[in-house]
Amino acid sequence: AQSVTQPDIHITVSEGASLELRCNYSYGATPYLFWYVQSPGQGLQLLLKYFSGDTLVQGIKGFEAEFKRSQSSFNLRKPSVHWSDAAEYFCAVGPFGSGTASKLTFGTGTRLQVTL
Amino acid sequence: DAGVTQSPTHLIKTRGQQVTLRCSPKSGHDTVSWYQQALGQGPQFIFQYYEEEERQRGNFPDRFSGHQFPNYSSELNVNALLLGDSALYLCASSNLGADSYEAFFGQGTRLTVV
Repeated sequence: AQSVTQPDIHITVSEGASLELRCNYSYGATPYLFWYVQSPGQGLQLLLKYFSGDTLVQGIKGFEAEFKRSQSSFNLRKPSVHWSDAAEYFCAVGPFGSGTASKLTFGTGTRLQVTL
Repeated sequence: DAGVTQSPTHLIKTRGQQVTLRCSPKSGHDTVSWYQQALGQGPQFIFQYYEEEERQRGNFPDRFSGHQFPNYSSELNVNALLLGDSALYLCASSNLGADSYEAFFGQGTRLTVV
């Protein structure tokens, strides 16, 4: 069975500092990988996704993520954090093929706090 | 485009009661999935509906059931509510045949069972 681990429950960074959120997955084959962001009381917004090809993917809001097969990781990065980035971030994995988007396995999330 | 809409936004029910949550998918989407997000946890997949049938199901009891209508909208029903059913229920829509593999989520329904 697939699983996703986000080892950091809570991270605090200063505005303007760089950010890296960790994500490790367990899956029997090459998965489809996603990062979502959730603001308080809101639904989930897709930041970026990886299916194949270039292992460094660019997303919205200046985020990027790198897929490392050897480490089963898909870490999210941002060079310079803005106060508006404070939110909960979820890494998710989906099965290969059609129907991926509709059955996702999520990690437990990392809450990002940004100090001014 | 209104995106994925869910109703109601908040709901308070008593243990043992039944509840129905509703979801309208994003325009052009034919697949609806439901997720339960307990406080402090990531969303957990409940089930997926496509062509008015349940296609996949997560590890949830039969108290959780659903329906999809010809216009692709969907309902989630939970019977015999337990305190542990208190959570944010998220609906996600997607297009099964699309190669974008992207699910769009609604704002969720916050269910509180007392």
